[in-house]
Amino acid sequence: NAGVMQNPRHLVRRRGQEARLRCSPMKGHSHVYWYRQLPEEGLKFMVYLQKENIIDESGMPKERFSAEFPKEGPSILRIQQVVRGDSAAYFCASSEDRSVNEQYFGPGTRLTVT
Amino acid sequence: GIQVEQSPPDLILQEGANSTLRCNFSDSVNNLQWFHQNPWGQLINLFYIPSGTKQNGRLSATTVATERYSLLYISSSQTTDSGVYFCALRRTNAGKSTFGDGTTLTVKP
Repeated sequence: NAGVMQNPRHLVRRRGQEARLRCSPMKGHSHVYWYRQLPEEGLKFMVYLQKENIIDESGMPKERFSAEFPKEGPSILRIQQVVRGDSAAYFCASSEDRSVNEQYFGPGTRLTVT
Repeated sequence: GIQVEQSPPDLILQEGANSTLRCNFSDSVNNLQWFHQNPWGQLINLFYIPSGTKQNGRLSATTVATERYSLLYISSSQTTDSGVYFCALRRTNAGKSTFGDGTTLTVKP
């Protein structure tokens, strides 16, 4: 059973460009979470999605960031007009349900904005 | 939201030593996990332990939910144990996890 897949693993963007980060959950998992880890910091929740629905986006910045989890295909975290402060590791996690079971994390995407 | 406090923030050990990492939390939870982030940045699931005690090789963990803390024990530490250890908690039906700031462990040969 493959784990959580994220791609790309490393992404370099110039200021003002768009970044698209992809996450494929573990097989059988329909709950996806995105977290951001700034340099030398812990992980902070961004958004929680189920298929075709955003359940909790309380951690998402109000502008430039969006997320989706379509019926078919991976979940996408999109950052428009990136700025240097967006440089971070973005982790995706998945779980079977929203409460009881473990969350499993992908390897992360390291975004560098130049 | 839940407050999660990990201690100590930094720990330096000689290879072979034992250590205890602590995670205190402010509210009742039904889901607690310990993770190891290795020097390459990967997050590795160590324990899913909302209550009770579990052991896996040289590592063990105990959560006392009624007193709102969890402990991670590392015995006979090795240099490969170096990295950051996080605890993460989820409330009932909350979905998201709240992470502590981590304990950075350095094991010297």
